[in-house]
Amino acid sequence: AQSVTQLDSQVPVFEEAPVELRCNYSSSVSVYLFWYVQYPNQGLQLLLKYLSGSTLVKGINGFEAEFNKSQTSFHLRKPSVHISDTAEYFCAVSDRSGSARQLTFGSGTQLTVLP
Amino acid sequence: KAGVTQTPRYLIKTRGQQVTLSCSPISGHRSVSWYQQTPGQGLQFLFEYFSETQRNKGNFPGRFSGRQFSNSRSEMNVSTLELGDSALYLCASSLTAASYNEQFFGPGTRLTVL
Repeated sequence: AQSVTQLDSQVPVFEEAPVELRCNYSSSVSVYLFWYVQYPNQGLQLLLKYLSGSTLVKGINGFEAEFNKSQTSFHLRKPSVHISDTAEYFCAVSDRSGSARQLTFGSGTQLTVLP
Repeated sequence: KAGVTQTPRYLIKTRGQQVTLSCSPISGHRSVSWYQQTPGQGLQFLFEYFSETQRNKGNFPGRFSGRQFSNSRSEMNVSTLELGDSALYLCASSLTAASYNEQFFGPGTRLTVL
């Protein structure tokens, strides 16, 4: 079984400032890691994913995340945010073995970018 | 390429009724998963279908069921609706059932149970 903890439910930040959204996971098996974004009244859109290889993963819209196996973390970062980045962000994991491929999501972090 | 489509987008039902939601995956995708999103419980996995077979089921009562057709379109059904079933129901499709395949989400069906 897996669980995902997003440490901050709300993160306000000023436009052009850097931001980090924190995600920690717990799992008895190896996992794949994902970050999704959800804009109001829309579904989820994949920002980036970690499957293997380099622990620094670059995604869309200037976001990146770093996988830290020892700390079981997968924090999302952006060096300079825009108003349009205001949305809810979800960290998720899935079982590498494929026996249970469903995504287990964190509770989400609402990012609000202030002018 | 068209994205995942879900119909209807909004639905209002009363307690005790049943409801059927529909999901059309991206063309060529054979795996469809369903998730329930509520403010209290967040995003929770309902079930996954691949090649018309249910591969996995989440921890939901038997009132929640689904199926997948030969063209990969999927439906989910909720019988004897309860107030707590009010939620956004999201469908996601992927090329195969492999865990590393990206799941593409539809816009969801917002169900309100009165």
